[in-house]
Amino acid sequence: DQQVKQNSPSLSVQEGRISILNCDYTNSMFDYFLWYKKYPAEGPTFLISISSIKDKNEDGRFTVFLNKSAKHLSLHIVPSQPGDSAVYFCAARTSNTGNQFYFGTGTSLTVIP
Amino acid sequence: NAGVMQNPRHLVRRRGQEARLRCSPMKGHSHVYWYRQLPEEGLKFMVYLQKENIIDESGMPKERFSAEFPKEGPSILRIQQVVRGDSAAYFCASSPSLGGNQPQHFGDGTRLSIL
Repeated sequence: DQQVKQNSPSLSVQEGRISILNCDYTNSMFDYFLWYKKYPAEGPTFLISISSIKDKNEDGRFTVFLNKSAKHLSLHIVPSQPGDSAVYFCAARTSNTGNQFYFGTGTSLTVIP
Repeated sequence: NAGVMQNPRHLVRRRGQEARLRCSPMKGHSHVYWYRQLPEEGLKFMVYLQKENIIDESGMPKERFSAEFPKEGPSILRIQQVVRGDSAAYFCASSPSLGGNQPQHFGDGTRLSIL
């Protein structure tokens, strides 16, 4: 039962352009959402998060958008840089059922120089 | 990677042997989580522990798998009588507390290979 879905396994973007990574979820009780970035042979690194009381959170080149009615989350990276090439996971949690995070299957981003 | 230390980084076992994976959380963190990543899949939650307590083990297989987080020392994920299907990357994460919205910080994982 995949409660968090990333339907695009891969994405290629030209350096300097915008990268948009998408994530859909099924559980309307999720109230905290995160994006992690993962390089090969390393663990996921926390990137940015958003609470369900907001619809946008920005941190430098990274912006996360939340559309609760559509149960959709997206991460925008602009401008994209070659060092952004990695696998990106979205994750979600319901605060009233403990601290278990549900992860998507990841999107592999390649930024072409 | 964010101060969570996992060892070993790579572990090779033969079928039927035991595997022990260790995780030291980030300094000041009292909550530990274990995840498994199978090839071509995302991270799957296994277990959530605090010191000397298992809080949520809903993602743990019912047999052969166990986890502990003793008062002193690292958290241990133990897999008895390993089978080929246990080959995966096992990640540990930690967080400082349950209150509020806190991200989990991950270690670099242990890659378990079963011969």
